[in-house]
Amino acid sequence: DVKVTQSSRYLVKRTGEKVFLECVQDMDHENMFWYRQDPGLGLRLIYFSYDVKMKEKGDIPEGYSVSREKKERFSLILESASTNQTSMYLCASSAYRGRGKETQYFGPGTRLLVL
Amino acid sequence: SQQGEEDPQALSIQEGENATMNCSYKTSINNLQWYRQNSGRGLVHLILIRSNEREKHSGRLRVTLDTSKKSSSLLITASRAADTASYFCATVLSGADGLTFGKGTHLIIQP
Repeated sequence: DVKVTQSSRYLVKRTGEKVFLECVQDMDHENMFWYRQDPGLGLRLIYFSYDVKMKEKGDIPEGYSVSREKKERFSLILESASTNQTSMYLCASSAYRGRGKETQYFGPGTRLLVL
Repeated sequence: SQQGEEDPQALSIQEGENATMNCSYKTSINNLQWYRQNSGRGLVHLILIRSNEREKHSGRLRVTLDTSKKSSSLLITASRAADTASYFCATVLSGADGLTFGKGTHLIIQP
C-alpha cells in the first residue's frame, strides 16, 4: 500500500514565524502535491512537483514556497505565517511522470493554526 | 475557479438506503475521480472513470459519466454508518495538469 506521511497532525504557530510542513511518500512516485482545505472552499492546489528540484505553481501559491530535494520528500514552506494561512494542509502523491492525471494518494493532513 | 461542483452539499439518509451524489464540471476532461474524506482525515481514492467510459462499478459504488452533460453521479448502495463522510469529485482537464476538486457532499448515514 502507498503510504504518504506528514510530519505533524496539528501545529500552532505565531504570526511571522517561518513554518515547514514535511511530506514523505514511500512508493517512488514522481508527482507530489500540496493542497489546502478550507470550509466552503474545498481543496485548492498550492504547488506541485513532477520531479526532484522541479516545482510548479498551483492555484494559490502566494505566501508559500516548496522544496523537493529528494524524490520521496516534498516540503511546504510558509515564509512568514499569517492568520489567513490557518487551514488544513494535505499532501498527495501520484505515480505518473509529468502528468498528475491518475489516482492521487493523500497523507492524513496537518491542521495548522496561526495565532 | 471551481471545475467540479457536487450536489447536494449535504445528504442525510437512513442506513440501508441508497445515496446518490452528483458532480457537474465545466470543461473537457481526461478523467473524473471520486474521493472520500472521513472527518479530519486525508482523502481516499474511491474510483476513476475515463472520459470514454459511461459507467463503472466497484463493490457498492456505481459511477456514471455523461460527457455531453458534463456530469457524473456516484451511487452508494445499501449504505452503512461507516459511509458517513465527505465525498469529492475531482477532474483532470484535457491537456492540463493535476486534479481540480469540487467542494464536496457531506453524507450522513443515520443508524
